[in-house]
Amino acid sequence: DIQMTQSPSTLSASVGDRVTITCRASQSISSWLAWYQQKPGKAPKLLIYKASSLESGVPSRFSGSGSGTEFTLTISSLQPDDFATYYCQQYNSYPSLTFGGGTKVEIK
Amino acid sequence: EVQLVQSGAEVKKPGESLKISCKGSGYSFTSYWIGWVRQMPGKGLEWMGIIYPGDSDTRYSPSFQGQVTISADKSISTAYLQWSSLKASDTAMYYCVRPVVVADSSGYYYDYWGQGTLVTVSS
Repeated sequence: DIQMTQSPSTLSASVGDRVTITCRASQSISSWLAWYQQKPGKAPKLLIYKASSLESGVPSRFSGSGSGTEFTLTISSLQPDDFATYYCQQYNSYPSLTFGGGTKVEIK
Repeated sequence: EVQLVQSGAEVKKPGESLKISCKGSGYSFTSYWIGWVRQMPGKGLEWMGIIYPGDSDTRYSPSFQGQVTISADKSISTAYLQWSSLKASDTAMYYCVRPVVVADSSGYYYDYWGQGTLVTVSS
């Protein structure tokens, strides 16, 4: 199975900060990576697919980059609505369709 | 508007059976895969399996093969997740999802999610 490791597990930041979350795959997954945002008590929401493609309706302050084994999700200017947990998911290798462990973005 | 609306929370005892549901609307139910993702309390996300309602082709994660049954009734645009004998370790939130199958990859990501069904198994 492909393992997905996110870092950090928790991140404290202030409104307006630039925030970067990293996701590393245990082997190459090309660009087959998605990012989701989950708020407490809610279902995850798709933000990014194919490593850098922004899902329709997602604010442009979110961006994704990377390929192979290292990927990043960047929030250019953190907004109050962005405090949540973020998950990466690789979809390169069926049936191993694994999620990362999550990164919680907290208010500093 | 695409919507996946799941059945309500359940409280069951170990050994009992359970079937939860997910009704799709706003799209052609028989033309898209639909599946389930588990989230145990305070934990991450795990895909369980998917079904193509058009022909009932069903695929399971190796971790969940034999543990659950996924089915669909295309006449009422509803997918199901079923257990024959629940365990305490089945306590979790279960999300219905619509996978986006990518032609150049063997896998998929999820563009729509249901609101979740909380299943609690306790004696």
